[in-house]
Amino acid sequence: DAMVIQNPRYQVTQFGKPVTLSCSQTLNHNVMYWYQQKSSQAPKLLFHYYDKDFNNEADTPDNFQSRRPNTSFCFLDIRSPGLGDAAMYLCATNAGGGTDTQYFGPGTRLTVL
Amino acid sequence: AQSVTQPDIHITVSEGASLELRCNYSYGATPYLFWYVQSPGQGLQLLLKYFSGDTLVQGIKGFEAEFKRSQSSFNLRKPSVHWSDAAEYFCAVASGGGNKLTFGTGTQLKVEL
Repeated sequence: DAMVIQNPRYQVTQFGKPVTLSCSQTLNHNVMYWYQQKSSQAPKLLFHYYDKDFNNEADTPDNFQSRRPNTSFCFLDIRSPGLGDAAMYLCATNAGGGTDTQYFGPGTRLTVL
Repeated sequence: AQSVTQPDIHITVSEGASLELRCNYSYGATPYLFWYVQSPGQGLQLLLKYFSGDTLVQGIKGFEAEFKRSQSSFNLRKPSVHWSDAAEYFCAVASGGGNKLTFGTGTQLKVEL
């Protein structure tokens, strides 16, 4: 059974048109993460939530926002997508300890036209 | 700041041959180390992880990795590669209480039949 679900798997948006990506988890984990992975590059952490506490990476552009309305769901909002934001966006979760595995979803491939 | 280096961008091996993927890390404290595998268009799947104890770690799909503190390395090995192992492999180190993974740039594995 899927544990970390991302919708949609593929998203096409227009330059400057806001877009929201969705992630849900059935693991009841405390922590949810969003990563950006550009072609042939390593995943790069954008931010994470520990419960309701939001932790933004210092180099994450202001164009990227996130919401976590409850334990199961987390959203990534891109307010004004640029061509450089085309990437795979990966959601991950873990229970919150240093030794805990991060479980990844299948990702959402974002295309910006 | 922590960092991970994967010196080999691409590796090609014949099916049935042995495999070693290199990973070097830089981290001030005791590292938590991970190897993930990513098939095309998919999320990341954990192969194995090291936190403490036995420096030789066994993972899924017949993979193992050895932690060598003196060399700051955590190389991934498999004695006999299968065609289905063709994928991208990422080494990662956890910091920030385990809530932040820093990935290497990945090694793309190709398996020749």
